[in-house]
Amino acid sequence: DGGITQSPKYLFRKEGQNVTLSCEQNLNHDAMYWYRQDPGQGLRLIYYSQIVNDFQKGDIAEGYSVSREKKESFPLTVTSAQKNPTAFYLCASSIFNPVRSNQPQHFGDGTRLSIL
Amino acid sequence: KNQVEQSPQSLIILEGKNCTLQCNYTVSPFSNLRWYKQDTGRGPVSLTIMTFSENTKSNGRYTATLDADTKQSSLHITASQLSDSASYICVVTTNAGGTSYGKLTFGQGTILTVHP
Repeated sequence: DGGITQSPKYLFRKEGQNVTLSCEQNLNHDAMYWYRQDPGQGLRLIYYSQIVNDFQKGDIAEGYSVSREKKESFPLTVTSAQKNPTAFYLCASSIFNPVRSNQPQHFGDGTRLSIL
Repeated sequence: KNQVEQSPQSLIILEGKNCTLQCNYTVSPFSNLRWYKQDTGRGPVSLTIMTFSENTKSNGRYTATLDADTKQSSLHITASQLSDSASYICVVTTNAGGTSYGKLTFGQGTILTVHP
């Protein structure tokens, strides 16, 4: 089955610690995204990547970092600089099309990050 | 400022009943409007995508409408089932800057609970 796999499902972070959230897709999609979801708020974009070895900051990139060394993988690191990291993190992917943007995003099932 | 507002925030209905969820937006320029269903603890799943020229689109018991003049959309659920209990998220895309990604603005979602 094609899809997006996020791991782990639950993650706990200690003070001063960096943690990395995994996102893997086998949909052959060029574009991948990271979103943060907080209760009562819409999803907010952290980073996105349209192609391997390239990524762009989203609306709330501070305290986060990403890499895109392989088409299938887009890991997100939550650094100690992110002072309020407790949230539900969603990874998504979509077909990269320079002309049309009406392609659906496919989402993983998220990682819930909490502070110890 | 681009905004997407959904109403009601939450809704409780009995199994078998119909319901309508609302989405108002101020996003400009408009590219497309998407409705997603998000089960608790899972990632969103695409229900419909509508462009400017489409004013209705169905996916099984889900029917979305779009009025681009008044910048309003609705999602109508017919003959509700217990499995329809979820958060329904409205997303509006603008193709600002000519980038292939576009800019997605997410609503905060409507939480629907279907009781037997």
